Amino acid sequence: DIQMTQSPSTLSASVGDRVTITCRASQSISSWLAWYQQKPGKAPKLLIYKASSLESGVPSRFSGSGSGTEFTLTISSLQPDDFATYYCQQYNSYPFTFGPGTKVDIK
Amino acid sequence: EVQLVESGGGLVQPGRSLRLSCAASGFTFDDYAMHWVRQAPGKGLEWVSGISWNSGSIGYADSVKGRFTISRDNAKNSLYLQMNSLRAEDTALYYCAKDVRVRGVMYAFDIWGQGTMVTVSS
Repeated sequence: DIQMTQSPSTLSASVGDRVTITCRASQSISSWLAWYQQKPGKAPKLLIYKASSLESGVPSRFSGSGSGTEFTLTISSLQPDDFATYYCQQYNSYPFTFGPGTKVDIK
Repeated sequence: EVQLVESGGGLVQPGRSLRLSCAASGFTFDDYAMHWVRQAPGKGLEWVSGISWNSGSIGYADSVKGRFTISRDNAKNSLYLQMNSLRAEDTALYYCAKDVRVRGVMYAFDIWGQGTMVTVSS
């Protein structure tokens, strides 16, 4: 099975900060990676698919990059609505797996 | 409006069975793969199972393989998860999720339900 790791596990930031979250796969997954945002008590929301494709309706301050085993999610200017937990997920092969999550909280 | 509504959760004793359902509306259900994802209280997301648009491809997490069975009824716009031999560690909020791609290999999940809670306890 492909294991996904994320760093950091928690990130404290201020509104306006540039934020970067890293996701690593235990083996190459090409670009078959998605990023999700989840707020407390809510279902996850798709932000990025195929490593760098922005889902419709998602603000352009979110971007994704990477391929193979290392990926990043960047928020160019953190907004109050962005404080949440972010998960990466590989869909290269069964079983699909999620990273453990990165919580972005207020500094 | 595209919508997924899960049902069938509840309190069940270890070793017993439960069947979850997911009713889909607002899109052409039989064009898309569907998935179940769970989240234990206070924990992260875990993909449980996925099924292709035509049921030709099915996958399971190692933790549920041999105990859970995913199925779909395209005529009823419904997704199911039959859960047998339930364990305490299966306690979680179970989400139904729609795949992004039309009639393609399984992909990311763009629409999620609100979840149905399953609690396994004696």
